[in-house]
Amino acid sequence: DAGITQSPRHKVTETGTPVTLRCHQTENHRYMYWYRQDPGHGLRLIHYSYGVKDTDKGEVSDGYSVSRSKTEDFLLTLESATSSQTSVYFCAITPTGGTDTQYFGPGTRLTVL
Amino acid sequence: DAKTTQPNSMESNEEEPVHLPCNHSTISGTDYIHWYRQLPSQGPEYVIHGLTSNVNNRMASLAIAEDRKSSTLILHRATLRDAAVYYCILKGGANNLFFGTGTRLTVIP
Repeated sequence: DAGITQSPRHKVTETGTPVTLRCHQTENHRYMYWYRQDPGHGLRLIHYSYGVKDTDKGEVSDGYSVSRSKTEDFLLTLESATSSQTSVYFCAITPTGGTDTQYFGPGTRLTVL
Repeated sequence: DAKTTQPNSMESNEEEPVHLPCNHSTISGTDYIHWYRQLPSQGPEYVIHGLTSNVNNRMASLAIAEDRKSSTLILHRATLRDAAVYYCILKGGANNLFFGTGTRLTVIP
């Protein structure tokens, strides 16, 4: 257990509304990641962070922004949600000083109507 | 990161060993081979990883071919709780993990 929580765990929203998902970790790990998982695609990286205010894009970053103003929180924002962003979102961390393994949170199921 | 090829699905009887294959013919010399699994309705879970030598831990064993173009995850005694999707991933210098579609393991009681 890497002390990762995600909130909310489930959310239903309407097209065009802003949505923010939160990933919280309790152990001051430097690297944090946001993935989305869709049927037939496995997990795909959206954005990642390598420190406070240090973030970079992943392979499916269009339509998403992130922020990390403190070590423990990594926020994923959908500025204007679309139905194509209906997915399960997973946050992950790489333990500091670890071996590049990643530990995942429980996921957030987002439905955009 | 180089890609991997895995069978879409496999079945195993409970309490029997399971060998999950993975082909990675374009692996580079610095790529580590990682295995993760994802149980139903959960996030992926790290299983094991290695570079060249075979590796063992409490969950599984990883057998790596001498030319490193393939590897096999071995579950020594499958239980119903091992039913999951297993992902074979090559990890080089990039920070992210590239998840393919994995192998869905069904364990038959």
